[in-house]
Amino acid sequence: EVQLVESGGVVVQPGGSLRLSCAASGFTFDDYAMHWVRQAPGKGLEWVSLISWDGGSTYYADSVKGRFTISRDNSKNSLYLQMNSLRAEDTALYYCAKDIIGGYSYGGHFDYWGQGTLVTVSS
Amino acid sequence: DIQMTQSPSSVSASVGDRVTITCRASQGISSWLAWYQQKPGKAPKLLIYAASSLQSGVPSRFSGSGSGTDFTLTISSLQPEDFATYYCQQANSFPLFTFGPGTKVDIK
Repeated sequence: EVQLVESGGVVVQPGGSLRLSCAASGFTFDDYAMHWVRQAPGKGLEWVSLISWDGGSTYYADSVKGRFTISRDNSKNSLYLQMNSLRAEDTALYYCAKDIIGGYSYGGHFDYWGQGTLVTVSS
Repeated sequence: DIQMTQSPSSVSASVGDRVTITCRASQGISSWLAWYQQKPGKAPKLLIYAASSLQSGVPSRFSGSGSGTDFTLTISSLQPEDFATYYCQQANSFPLFTFGPGTKVDIK
């Protein structure tokens, strides 16, 4: 059974930093690209970032580019999101999600999601 | 950037009803479209990918159609567990994946 379990969400002040983690199990982690998707309270879904199967390629939404860094440790079946210079508008539930296509390709759709971890940016 | 719109924004329906949700892309996305279902307090669940392919384990009452700019999600006979919010999502403009604003299906 595929499982994705996020952690690391807390209340942080504007301008602060935070690192989210996602522990994966139930599939061959290093076969798949992985994503972060967020959802502000009561709002819709926003794709945040993508990392290739080997970590060699990373991509970001314009809203977080230059402030967030996605990474992965395939030896630990783990995905990370380093969040710097946090703003109030970054307040959201952050989901890690598995790409639907394995190998060197990206499907761009998300077939498994974690339960999310809540990041609140507030003074 | 490709913008996604959905209509209606909400729909009230009864168990057994046929429900159709429309998603429109601001430019052509071929068949790079997925549909997700999200229940309150839960993560989204993939229903349909590549516009019309049913994800494994999803009931056959869900179907998707369309290509280019106009897409449809149909629930052929609404069940109690189908009351939720539904999102479309495009994957054509790599890597700027965008979601529609959502359609809430609630009980009439």
